[in-house]
Amino acid sequence: DAGITQSPRYKITETGRQVTLMCHQTWSHSYMFWYRQDLGHGLRLIYYSAAADITDKGEVPDGYVVSRSKTENFPLTLESATRSQTSVYFCASQGTLNGYTFGSGTRLTVV
Amino acid sequence: RKEVEQDPGPFNVPEGATVAFNCTYSNSASQSFFWYRQDCRKEPKLLMSVYSSGNEDGRFTAQLNRASQYISLLIRDSKLSDSATYLCVVNSPWGGSQGNLIFGKGTKLSVKP
Repeated sequence: DAGITQSPRYKITETGRQVTLMCHQTWSHSYMFWYRQDLGHGLRLIYYSAAADITDKGEVPDGYVVSRSKTENFPLTLESATRSQTSVYFCASQGTLNGYTFGSGTRLTVV
Repeated sequence: RKEVEQDPGPFNVPEGATVAFNCTYSNSASQSFFWYRQDCRKEPKLLMSVYSSGNEDGRFTAQLNRASQYISLLIRDSKLSDSATYLCVVNSPWGGSQGNLIFGKGTKLSVKP
């Protein structure tokens, strides 16, 4: 099915563990983005990518790593999870310079 | 000044009411404008783009005032299903750490029976 999918939908992990959130889009959109959303903060950009092998930091990149070896995939890795990284994570893609399309989100809890 | 500012609300209105949301943006070079809708615990979804001449989609009307750097969204005949948070979104002409689009924090709307 065409679209943008995130996995897992829910994840509970322990402090200090590495965890990877997956994002896959089927449109071959150039741009992809990772946001986190917390109460009182709105959407905050973590990392984004303009094309395969091109990534840039957003507003809150610390503690996160991304890669984009293929246009359709943009995984986000928390190298050593902390409780402050408990959040809802949204991936988005953008084809032409129009609006973004968001995935359904991953709810991550770090205990 | 924040790049995109919205009244956080909440706006509590009865069914059938008309409600207006306002948004201001700081970068006069911005060229693309959008309204997104976000339901509780769901992803933001594009509601409508905002064009210079203003545009309408059913009960929804969007207006842009470039001189004042102001965007509005009017919802007529509110339905219970309109309850959501409405995000004002503006393009970032130079990208950078905010990416291509800058999202406001949203205005929460609650439509009551």
